[in-house]
Amino acid sequence: EVLVEESGGGLVQPGGSLRVSCAASGFTFSSYAMNWVRQAPGQGLEWVSVISAGSGYIDFAGSVKGRFTISRDNSKNTLYMQMNSLRAEDTAIYYCVKASDGSGKNYFDYWGLGILVTVSS
Amino acid sequence: DIQMTQSPSSVSASVGDRVTITCRASQDISSWLAWHQQKPGKAPKLLIYAASTLQSGVPSRFSGSGSGTDFTLTISSLQPEDFASYYCQQAYTFPRTFGQGTKVEIK
Repeated sequence: EVLVEESGGGLVQPGGSLRVSCAASGFTFSSYAMNWVRQAPGQGLEWVSVISAGSGYIDFAGSVKGRFTISRDNSKNTLYMQMNSLRAEDTAIYYCVKASDGSGKNYFDYWGLGILVTVSS
Repeated sequence: DIQMTQSPSSVSASVGDRVTITCRASQDISSWLAWHQQKPGKAPKLLIYAASTLQSGVPSRFSGSGSGTDFTLTISSLQPEDFASYYCQQAYTFPRTFGQGTKVEIK
């Protein structure tokens, strides 16, 4: 069974930093691209970032570019996102999402349960 | 960025009704379109990919159609467990973008 499980969320002050992680199991992690998608309270879905299977391709939404970084450790089946210079508008549930392929055009085929990140003083 | 526009934003329907949701892309995305279902307080779940292919385990009352810029999600006979929000999403290029969502509510 494919499972992706987020951890590391919580409350952080504006301007602060947080690292969220995603532990994957049930599939060959090193063969698939991974994404982060977020959902602000009561709002729709917003794609945040992608990393290809071998980490050769990385991209970010314009709203987080320059503040967030994404990485993966294929030996540990774990995805990470480092979030710096956090703003109130980054408050959201962050979902770890598996892609259906290693890179390029692919689909979001499995979603984690999500982790809440709250940016507030 | 490719803009995805869904309509309606909400629909009120009864069990057994046929429900249709439309999604329009701001440019040609061929068939690189997915539909996701999200129940209240839960994570989204992939329903349909490649515009018309059902994800494994998804009931056959769900169907998708379209290509290019215009797409449709149809629920042929609404069931109680189908009351949820539905999002279209383009998989053609980055940044990946979603429609604003359609909430299917009980009439």
